[in-house]
Amino acid sequence: EAGVAQSPRYKIIEKRQSVAFWCNPISGHATLYWYQQILGQGPKLLIQFQNNGVVDDSQLPKDRFSAERLKGVDSTLKIQPAKLEDSAVYLCASAPGAGLGEQYFGPGTRLTVT
Amino acid sequence: ILNVEQSPQSLHVQEGDSTNFTCSFPSSNFYALHWYRWETAKSPEALFVMTLNGDEKKKGRISATLNTKEGYSYLYIKGSQPEDSATYLCAFGPSGNTPLVFGKGTRLSVIA
Repeated sequence: EAGVAQSPRYKIIEKRQSVAFWCNPISGHATLYWYQQILGQGPKLLIQFQNNGVVDDSQLPKDRFSAERLKGVDSTLKIQPAKLEDSAVYLCASAPGAGLGEQYFGPGTRLTVT
Repeated sequence: ILNVEQSPQSLHVQEGDSTNFTCSFPSSNFYALHWYRWETAKSPEALFVMTLNGDEKKKGRISATLNTKEGYSYLYIKGSQPEDSATYLCAFGPSGNTPLVFGKGTRLSVIA
């Protein structure tokens, strides 16, 4: 079974630029999560999708971050414009259903904003 | 704001030593407790999902216990190996409808 795929693995941009990350979850997984992990902190949920609907985006900075999962499969997370404090690892995870069962993570995208 | 504390923040052990770390979480509401292992440049990997007070789970040399009444979980590694070097994350879920809250992790280095 293929795991969760993410790209790119690394990205360096200047502040005020835009960036987009892509995630392809495990086939058949209905739930998709985007997490932000700042160095020295634990992963923080940005947004949770159930199929193509948003379940929780309470911690997503909506003035600059957006995410979509149009066909209920893969997803993109965008930051526009980026700030220095957005430097972090962005993790995508998927799960077969809702609730708090095991989550399957991708390798993450390490973003550096200079 | 829910607080999940992990200790120690980091530790170094010799190959063959056994070790353990702690995850503390609010005991007032409990739904699930997850442990993940995150090796450098790899994906975080689930070790255990625990839901019942008194639960003990084991996977090879790694085991975990759960005390929901006092709000803590222990992760044990018996006979540490260099390949156990990783960051161990715990995540707490107060209900089935709220997201997991992750701790900052314990970074383990096993020295050969």
